[in-house]
This record gives sequence, C-alpha cells and structure tokens, in this order.
Amino acid sequence: QVQLVESGGSVVQPGGSLRLSCAASGFTFSSYGMHWVRQAPGKGLEWVAFIRFDGSNEYYADSVKGRFTISRDNSKNTLYVQMNSLRPEDTAVYYCAKQRQLLRGSLFDDWGQGTLVTVSS
Amino acid sequence: DIVMTQSPDSLAVSLGERATIHCKSSQSVFYSSNNKNYLAWYQQRPRQPPKLLIYWASTRESGVPDRFSGSGSGTDFTLTISSLQAEDVAVYYCQQYYSTPPWTFGQGTKVEIK
Repeated sequence: QVQLVESGGSVVQPGGSLRLSCAASGFTFSSYGMHWVRQAPGKGLEWVAFIRFDGSNEYYADSVKGRFTISRDNSKNTLYVQMNSLRPEDTAVYYCAKQRQLLRGSLFDDWGQGTLVTVSS
Repeated sequence: DIVMTQSPDSLAVSLGERATIHCKSSQSVFYSSNNKNYLAWYQQRPRQPPKLLIYWASTRESGVPDRFSGSGSGTDFTLTISSLQAEDVAVYYCQQYYSTPPWTFGQGTKVEIK
C-alpha cells in the first residue's frame, strides 16, 4: 500500500533553513505529482507547494514563494522541500501528499504522518 | 483565489444522531462542460493526517462508510453523517480543486460527541 514518510523536522531559529524529505513507497512515484501541505498548531490545513510527476513544473503558495523550493528525486522515490528564511509563522506540521489526477483537476489522496517544524529563538 | 468557508466551526452531536456541515465557496466550483463540482471533503481524526472522504462533491472514496454523504452544487455544499459513531469524532475540511493553484481548504469543522 501507499506509504509516505516525512523526515527532517526540527527546531530552527528565525531566518534559518531546513530541508524536509518524504520517502515514498507502494506506488510508482515517478508517475504522480506531489504536494506539501502544512498545519500550524491547532489550525487548519494550508497547501504549500506542488511539483509535477517529472519535476517539470512547481507551484507555491504566496506565503512561501521565493523562500521554499520543492524538488524530487524519482530515482530515490523521494520528495523534498528546501525552506529558507524561516519565520515563526512557518511553524507547523508539514505533510507530503500524493496527487490524484482527475478530469481537469486534482486533489490529495494519500498523506504522510507529517513532520513538525518549529521556528523559534 | 477561491475562499472556502465552513459552518459551524464546531458541533456536538449525540451518538446515532445526524451531523451536518456546510461549506460555501467564494465562486462556483461547478464545471458545466463535464457537469462536475470540484469539491472534496477530508476527515482528520485526532493526531492523524487528513483522509480523503468524498470528491466530486458526492462521490465517496473507496472504503468510506455510507453514513457519510455529500451534496450541493455551485457554491453551497453539505457533508452529512447520518448516524454519528464514536470513530467519527474528527475535524472535517472541505477543499476546492476547481481553480488551482492554490488548492484551498475551509477552516475546518470539529465534530464531537454530545
């Protein structure tokens, strides 16, 4: 079955950097777009970034544009997000999620357990 | 961006009773060329990641109990749990996939046992 395992979360100071990883298994990773979605403590879900199956295009939420970079290594079945210039408001559990492509649209059908990023001095 | 607004923010329902959650989008998520509403519902149980429940506004994901149903069209949608069970305690989110990016969620509705 589909398994997504995030790692890399930790405590980081404001202005710092962090790279999260998401190891995928149980499906053909190279055939699916992938997302990062975050959830601040006690808050709702916020989409962060998306990358196409072949890495050809990336899309970002305005709140992270220019600071975060999503990438993937299809040979390693791994998704990444490089987070720079971190702010306290980036504190959240970060989930990776697999895309389900539908007619003219897509949504998230499998999620990892998440990894916690805390931005604090 | 399409803004999704859910109501209420929380509700408490007795076991076996009906729970109803509303979701409103700031613009229509209905695509007339295929007659589909680009609206999904997710369930997030405590300390768990979200789980896809319903898509196309009313299509249940495989394995989702039939006490969960979705309805609505255009800008107004409803998730109904016909007979609340203890395992249904969760936060429920609606999400549009009509106009992306960004993919946008409602703020969530917390369902508890009365």
